[in-house]
Amino acid sequence: SQKIEQNSEALNIQEGKTATLTCNYTNYSPAYLQWYRQDPGRGPVFLLLIRENEKEKRKERLKVTFDTTLKQSLFHITASQPADSATYLCALDYMEYGNKLVFGAGTILRVKS
Amino acid sequence: DTAVSQTPKYLVTQMGNDKSIKCEQNLGHDTMYWYKQDSKKFLKIMFSYNNKELIINETVPNRFSPKSPDKAHLNLHINSLELGDSAVYFCASSQPGGLEQYFGPGTRLTVT
Repeated sequence: SQKIEQNSEALNIQEGKTATLTCNYTNYSPAYLQWYRQDPGRGPVFLLLIRENEKEKRKERLKVTFDTTLKQSLFHITASQPADSATYLCALDYMEYGNKLVFGAGTILRVKS
Repeated sequence: DTAVSQTPKYLVTQMGNDKSIKCEQNLGHDTMYWYKQDSKKFLKIMFSYNNKELIINETVPNRFSPKSPDKAHLNLHINSLELGDSAVYFCASSQPGGLEQYFGPGTRLTVT
């Protein structure tokens, strides 16, 4: 079965620095990969989607890379702010049926001022 | 305007009871989902409906029964609740293809 691994420990960084979160996967070749943000007590919020034929995608201070050879995606937040503190979830599609998304456990990001 | 709404927000009940969670989306999406997020924060899909038709049915006990009266609503009924059912349940919607899913605020179910 597919396995998705995200940094199991929380990532603590200083305000203004770039946060880099990792998503590794095995036993699957997804057509696309998504990143979501989840705040405590709330539902996940879609951030970015990257397709298998795209190397990099940007949106404002966010950047996602997708390396299908390494089976890895990196999620970067530049000029991080305390408001960026949240859990970030990586999700892969599973299109054998029904376009199911399989989520990683998430990485907690804490940005300190 | 709330895109995906769920009721109730919190649900505390005893083992053996039957309960329902309601979900509505006003985004005009054809596809709706139910997810379960356990205490370890893993978010796992349970069901997916496309235009009222069941398209994903994960290995979920048959005590869980989704019902979609129309494509804007997907309700979840749970019979004979067990302690292990305690979790946060999220409803979500998307256009067909699963791209960019919009999640509701979640329903925290506690079974005592």
